[in-house]
Amino acid sequence: ILNVEQSPQSLHVQEGDSTNFTCSFPSSNFYALHWYRWETAKSPEALFVMTLNGDEKKKGRISATLNTKEGYSYLYIKGSQPEDSATYLCALGTALIFGKGTTLSVSS
Amino acid sequence: EAGVAQSPRYKIIEKRQSVAFWCNPISGHATLYWYQQILGQGPKLLIQFQNNGVVDDSQLPKDRFSAERLKGVDSTLKIQPAKLEDSAVYLCASSRGLAGNTGELFFGEGSRLTVL
Repeated sequence: ILNVEQSPQSLHVQEGDSTNFTCSFPSSNFYALHWYRWETAKSPEALFVMTLNGDEKKKGRISATLNTKEGYSYLYIKGSQPEDSATYLCALGTALIFGKGTTLSVSS
Repeated sequence: EAGVAQSPRYKIIEKRQSVAFWCNPISGHATLYWYQQILGQGPKLLIQFQNNGVVDDSQLPKDRFSAERLKGVDSTLKIQPAKLEDSAVYLCASSRGLAGNTGELFFGEGSRLTVL
């Protein structure tokens, strides 16, 4: 079974701080990488789907990069806001194997 | 468009009892997934359907869990008998494409099960 690692497990930042998380995965047989945001009491929501080495995607203050050769993806949040508080999950493969997630807490 | 609907949102049962969860995916979505998310872990795929056929159920504990997707639309996941370790959030998701497509998944709000 594909091993998907996310770090850090959790972090706490102040409003306005920029932050980033890592998703690591085996570089062989890469298919596609997904990032999801899961806010408490809501549904997980797709942020990005990335398929090509070197992909960079952006949605507002959130962006992501992908390096399939070395097996990692970074998710960046610029100028964190309290509404960014959530668990950020990455997932890979055809049936989406998820990592444990990074839980972000942003204080105002 | 309406999102993925799941029910019930919350369920508390005693061990050895049975429980069923229902999912109605987004209209027209071919692929449906059931995930189990235990506190502190990432969602784990239990079963994946394409239309009304099973694509992957390798991680479904078949001695106690069963799932069906009759007519290729809504789906039910059943646990019988439940164990304490089945306490989790059960997430249903659907996607437009066929199994193996890279399209994003659309999730329901989940069904939180507590087994006492």
